[in-house]
Amino acid sequence: SAVISQKPSRDICQRGTSLTIQCQVDSQVTMMFWYRQQPGQSLTLIATANQGSEATYESGFVIDKFPISRPNLTFSTLTVSNMSPEDSSIYLCSAADPWGHEQFFGPGTRLTVL
Amino acid sequence: GIQVEQSPPDLILQEGANSTLRCNFSDSVNNLQWFHQNPWGQLINLFYIPSGTKQNGRLSATTVATERYSLLYISSSQTTDSGVYFCALKGNTPLVFGKGTRLSVIA
Repeated sequence: SAVISQKPSRDICQRGTSLTIQCQVDSQVTMMFWYRQQPGQSLTLIATANQGSEATYESGFVIDKFPISRPNLTFSTLTVSNMSPEDSSIYLCSAADPWGHEQFFGPGTRLTVL
Repeated sequence: GIQVEQSPPDLILQEGANSTLRCNFSDSVNNLQWFHQNPWGQLINLFYIPSGTKQNGRLSATTVATERYSLLYISSSQTTDSGVYFCALKGNTPLVFGKGTRLSVIA
């Protein structure tokens, strides 16, 4: 199984600012994903982070708001831009096993926007 | 896209009791996983079970893909079992999550 770490683990930010979340996997993986979990809700996929090409965003999420980088097979970043209180959520990084079957999750980044 | 329904939405158990959580889904799937999200927010992989039955200690899971449902059994529940249990499915997309079952085990 993949071991995934995220930084920061939590942050409190002012509205209008941006925060970049880092995700590191302990092995090379083909598929990496970013999810959002709003308070009391389930997980929603933001985008698939593709190595060497632009991320694939789900309906309702746009690159200008959530730019993603994937410079190599073990690392990705998600930026939450021009934040508002509605962006207060847990953001989770995920990676699939080498066969693209089972997915594993990082510990999450708990973001509060004031 | 795939629709995932979990039941019950909330469950309160006395320590030592058994329970069954259900996950119904709308389409054929390549992957079905059960997760436990503990009170600190960490998602823990319980089972990767696109079909068949698996057991791990006090937990077991069964997926009947042809009838589009999966069951998670928790036996002799403990307070540390509290949290939210998610079923998540993958068809031609990354994992899609159900709304979860919130379990509270009281001593």
